Amino acid sequence: KNEVEQSPQNLTAQEGEFITINCSYSVGISALHWLQQHPGGGIVSLFMLSSGKKKHGRLIATINIQEKHSSLHITASHPRDSAVYICAVMNYGGSQGNLIFGKGTKLSVKP
Amino acid sequence: DADVTQTPRNRITKTGKRIMLECSQTKGHDRMYWYRQDPGLGLRLIYYSFDVKDINKGEISDGYSVSRQAQAKFSLSLESAIPNQTALYFCATSDPLAGGLTDTQYFGPGTRLTVL
Repeated sequence: KNEVEQSPQNLTAQEGEFITINCSYSVGISALHWLQQHPGGGIVSLFMLSSGKKKHGRLIATINIQEKHSSLHITASHPRDSAVYICAVMNYGGSQGNLIFGKGTKLSVKP
Repeated sequence: DADVTQTPRNRITKTGKRIMLECSQTKGHDRMYWYRQDPGLGLRLIYYSFDVKDINKGEISDGYSVSRQAQAKFSLSLESAIPNQTALYFCATSDPLAGGLTDTQYFGPGTRLTVL
């Protein structure tokens, strides 16, 4: 079983829809990261969180440590949000620097 | 100018050839990483370095070696390339916060390597 599972694997939405991407993990963590990989391949870090909720523009990330679950929400989605969204966790007590990555959720937002 | 650069961006080579991928950063970060990405598998850590004198193996280091020439430079070598090393390779840097277990990583643009 993968230590980081994302769902759904693929998601198609219409412009303006509210989008949720889920991430579940099976290890104790010190932090969880959400990353965005653009169609051209570049990767940017969106959020790093260890508790609660963070918001940046139309993006909201939440984490529930007890349930080992995080969600990434996109409000008022736009075609430019089309990308692969990757969840990664820093394994608490594990080898420093070793992020464990999910396989990603490919989002396509249609105009 | 980009903070983390990788050269080359694309490379096609033949089985058995030695290949070096280079990464440079202007962020002043001590920590640098090499990952590979394969379709359907997600990113996997090859090697990481916390400073010039510190090199550590990641999950999939076999067949790879690295060199940390300076704080700003971290190179990945494939001593004898094989077709299953065809992948997208990313370099990343980070600057740890409060003890270093939660640092955000900054990725380079990636190098697409094809081994024939």
